[in-house]
Amino acid sequence: EAGVAQSPRYKIIEKRQSVAFWCNPISGHATLYWYQQILGQGPKLLIQFQNNGVVDDSQLPKDRFSAERLKGVDSTLKIQPAKLEDSAVYLCASSLAILAGENTDTQYFGPGTRLTVL
Amino acid sequence: AQSVTQLDSQVPVFEEAPVELRCNYSSSVSVYLFWYVQYPNQGLQLLLKYLSGSTLVKGINGFEAEFNKSQTSFHLRKPSVHISDTAEYFCAVSPTGGFKTIFGAGTRLFVKA
Repeated sequence: EAGVAQSPRYKIIEKRQSVAFWCNPISGHATLYWYQQILGQGPKLLIQFQNNGVVDDSQLPKDRFSAERLKGVDSTLKIQPAKLEDSAVYLCASSLAILAGENTDTQYFGPGTRLTVL
Repeated sequence: AQSVTQLDSQVPVFEEAPVELRCNYSSSVSVYLFWYVQYPNQGLQLLLKYLSGSTLVKGINGFEAEFNKSQTSFHLRKPSVHISDTAEYFCAVSPTGGFKTIFGAGTRLFVKA
């Protein structure tokens, strides 16, 4: 079974530039998550999709971050414009589904995209 | 709101010694509890999870954890570690009836020969 795919693996940009990350979840997984992991910290949920609908985006900085999952499969996360504090690893994860409105399913993580903003 | 505290940022231990990685959580509602492991240059993978039932949960690679509701803890243990267990370990909680998963800051386990 193929895992969660992410690209690119590494990205270096200057502040105020734009960047986009791509994620392809495990086939058949309805739920997709984007996390931000700053060095020395645990992953922080940015946005969670169930199929192509947003379940939670309360911690997504909406003035500069956007995400979409148009066909309920792969997803893109965009930052525009980037700030120095956006330097982090961006993790994508997927799970089968949200059962009865609760996060009990195992989340499967991709390798992440390491973003450096100069 | 929920929060997770992993009490040790780094734990050095010799090979074949036992290890305990500590995790405490705070929540006003019942929670589900998880431990994930992140090997160098890899994504996180689930070690074990507690949803209900027996408070002692066994996971992969010989790890186990015990849910203690009165102490709001979910410590991870392994009786004998290997060099290959060197990794970062994350404790996480998810509220019952809610969606968001909250991760702790992680504990780096370093197994020495």
